Amino acid sequence: AQSVTQPDIHITVSEGASLELRCNYSYGATPYLFWYVQSPGQGLQLLLKYFSGDTLVQGIKGFEAEFKRSQSSFNLRKPSVHWSDAAEYFCAVGTNRDDKIIFGKGTRLHILP
Amino acid sequence: SAVISQKPSRDICQRGTSLTIQCQVDSQVTMMFWYRQQPGQSLTLIATANQGSEATYESGFVIDKFPISRPNLTFSTLTVSNMSPEDSSIYLCSVDMGQGVGETQYFGPGTRLLVL
Repeated sequence: AQSVTQPDIHITVSEGASLELRCNYSYGATPYLFWYVQSPGQGLQLLLKYFSGDTLVQGIKGFEAEFKRSQSSFNLRKPSVHWSDAAEYFCAVGTNRDDKIIFGKGTRLHILP
Repeated sequence: SAVISQKPSRDICQRGTSLTIQCQVDSQVTMMFWYRQQPGQSLTLIATANQGSEATYESGFVIDKFPISRPNLTFSTLTVSNMSPEDSSIYLCSVDMGQGVGETQYFGPGTRLLVL
């Protein structure tokens, strides 16, 4: 069965600094990979997704993620964070065998002014 | 994309009672999902609800505790039965807009439930 690991529970960066959130997955075949963001009191919003093709995926709000099969990783990056990026970020994995998506435990991003 | 609404947005309930959560989508979708997000935790899939068939429950979740209805392609309900404080969570519905997980799941705003 597929699984997702987000090793960092909390990350704190200064506004304007670069960001990288880590995500590792476990699945025997090519996975479908997602990053979602959940702002306080808000629902989940899809930032980006990877299905196939170019391993560098561009998303909304200036985020990007890179799929690295050799490392089983799908890390999320942003070159310069804004205070409004403070939220919980979830990495998720799906398969082409069913329509389930399995979520990681999330990384809470804090932004220092 | 899809616009998903949930009712109620939040509720406080007494132990032993039941609450039915509604999920409405602005377009017809085949697959709907119900998730639970316990305080400070990630999302856990409760069940998959396809119109015209019984819901499929994940390990650890049973129909008697979380009965689901899916009467049409735009609506679903999840009932949390005989509630206990451990059921205090955010319950989210989501829809798959494509032909499988290769497409995109959109999430509702969630129903925040507190059981006393």
